[in-house]
Amino acid sequence: SAVISQKPSRDICQRGTSLTIQCQVDSQVTMMFWYRQQPGQSLTLIATANQGSEATYESGFVIDKFPISRPNLTFSTLTVSNMSPEDSSIYLCSVEKGGELFFGEGSRLTVL
Amino acid sequence: AQSVSQHNHHVILSEAASLELGCNYSYGGTVNLFWYVQYPGQHLQLLLKYFSGDPLVKGIKGFEAEFIKSKFSFNLRKPSVQWSDTAEYFCAVNAPSSNTGKLIFGQGTTLQVKP
Repeated sequence: SAVISQKPSRDICQRGTSLTIQCQVDSQVTMMFWYRQQPGQSLTLIATANQGSEATYESGFVIDKFPISRPNLTFSTLTVSNMSPEDSSIYLCSVEKGGELFFGEGSRLTVL
Repeated sequence: AQSVSQHNHHVILSEAASLELGCNYSYGGTVNLFWYVQYPGQHLQLLLKYFSGDPLVKGIKGFEAEFIKSKFSFNLRKPSVQWSDTAEYFCAVNAPSSNTGKLIFGQGTTLQVKP
């Protein structure tokens, strides 16, 4: 299994600002994943973060808007840049072990 | 493109009632299938998964799901629900040949069990 901690758990942000979400895993993992869950919608993969290389982004997501860092095998950050109300979502960090995805509790962002 | 459809968005049951949540996916190749649950205030956790073999899989807390390949379905069942089963349930699919962390999720079903 994997225990994943995310910070912040929730935040209220002003339009035009940026916020960085941190994700810490209790064991070393090769890949970490960032998902978004918009209000009333399902989870969507934003990007896959490998240690030592640039993140791979899914269609509809770009690095300028969602820069990701992966400095080591247990930590990653996701920044939501130049936020607008449409970015109000829950952002979840996850890792894969044994064919199962484990999720953090999510970071609930509200953009005013 | 892959997609997952969950038939029921909101289900209300009384305790001891039987549960079946529908899930259909669209993908022509081999898939891995999952059901995740999110209890109020908690993180997503895996209920059960299907990779291959017996199409009837059993998960935690008395849940089971049946993979019917011809119907592209993976419905979740429980013979007798409890109040503690109140949660949101997500069906998800992953193509084994693709990014193992890329799950395509359904929209979720909110289950409310009345005591």
